Amino acid sequence: EVQLLESGGALVQPGGSLRLSCAASGFTFSSYAMSWVRQAPGKGLEWVSIISGSGGGTYYADSVKGRFTISRDNSKNTLYLQMETLRVEDTAVYYCAKAVGNSARYYFDYWGQGTLVTVSS
Amino acid sequence: DVQMTQSPSSLSASVGDRVTITCRASQDISNYLAWYQQKPGKVPKLLIYAASTLQSGVPSRFSGSGSGTDFTLTISSLQPEDVATYYCQKYNSALFTFGPGTKVDIK
Repeated sequence: EVQLLESGGALVQPGGSLRLSCAASGFTFSSYAMSWVRQAPGKGLEWVSIISGSGGGTYYADSVKGRFTISRDNSKNTLYLQMETLRVEDTAVYYCAKAVGNSARYYFDYWGQGTLVTVSS
Repeated sequence: DVQMTQSPSSLSASVGDRVTITCRASQDISNYLAWYQQKPGKVPKLLIYAASTLQSGVPSRFSGSGSGTDFTLTISSLQPEDVATYYCQKYNSALFTFGPGTKVDIK
């Protein structure tokens, strides 16, 4: 059974930093791209970032480019999102999602339960 | 960037009704479109990928169609457990934009 468990969400001040983690199990982690998708309170889904199975390829939404860094440790079956210079508008539930596809064409077949990041003074 | 729109933004229908949701891309995305269901307070769930392929375990009352810029998600007979917000997502390139969502409830 595929399981994705996010952690690391917290209340942080504007300009602060935070690192999210997503522990994966139930599938061969290194064989799949992984992604972060966020959802602001009462709003829709917004794709944030994706990383290839090897970790060699990464992509970011324009809204987070230069501030967020996605990475993975395939020896620990764990996905990360390092978030810097956080803004109030980054407040959201952050989901990690397993990606299916290739050649930078992916959809998301399993999602974690999410972790809440609140950016507020 | 390709923009995704959905219509309607919300709808109310009776149990047993046929429900159709439309998703439109601002540019041709071939069939690189997925649909997700998010029930209130729950995690998004993949329903359909490649515009019309049903994800394993998804009830057959759900179907998808379309190609290029215009896509539809159809629920052939609405059930109470289908109350949710439905999102389309394009994935023809590495900017995985979601549509704004369509909220479906029971009349």
